Amino acid sequence: SAVISQKPSRDICQRGTSLTIQCQVDSQVTMMFWYRQQPGQSLTLIATANQGSEATYESGFVIDKFPISRPNLTFSTLTVSNMSPEDSSIYLCSVGVAGIYNEQFFGPGTRLTVL
Amino acid sequence: SQKIEQNSEALNIQEGKTATLTCNYTNYSPAYLQWYRQDPGRGPVFLLLIRENEKEKRKERLKVTFDTTLKQSLFHITASQPADSATYLCALDNYGQNFVFGPGTRLSVLP
Repeated sequence: SAVISQKPSRDICQRGTSLTIQCQVDSQVTMMFWYRQQPGQSLTLIATANQGSEATYESGFVIDKFPISRPNLTFSTLTVSNMSPEDSSIYLCSVGVAGIYNEQFFGPGTRLTVL
Repeated sequence: SQKIEQNSEALNIQEGKTATLTCNYTNYSPAYLQWYRQDPGRGPVFLLLIRENEKEKRKERLKVTFDTTLKQSLFHITASQPADSATYLCALDNYGQNFVFGPGTRLSVLP
């Protein structure tokens, strides 16, 4: 298994600003994922972040809006840039642990409110 | 495009009964189908995984079936308890690619 922490747990931001969310894992993992979960909705994959390569973004998400860093095997950041109220959501990181059938372990999430 | 449906947005059952949740999908050929539990304010927690060549998988009071012909998975919780109340999400996985979550079913087990 893997234990994942996220910072901040929540934030309230002004329109037009940017927020960087940190994700820390207690073990080295190859695959890390960033999801968005809007109120009352399911999870939508934003991007996959593998160490040593650029993040792979899903349709509808672009690097300029959601730049991702993956400097090592235990850490990643997601930045939500030039925020608007539509970006208000919960942002979750998860990791895939090799050898455990691709199950994912999730962090507790970051609740973002944009005014 | 890929589409996943879960039988209902919310399901209420009496304590002790069996809860049955449905996950249907189209335009997808998953290698694995996973079920997660999500409590309010928390990230999803993995429960069970079933492979495309498996028909049924059990874990304690949980049972999952997978019918690739019908493109459907059923998730059962037997002898349900109020502590089982949560949102349950199915997720499709094709060897780590195209990982897609369903909309979820909010289960309430009434005492």
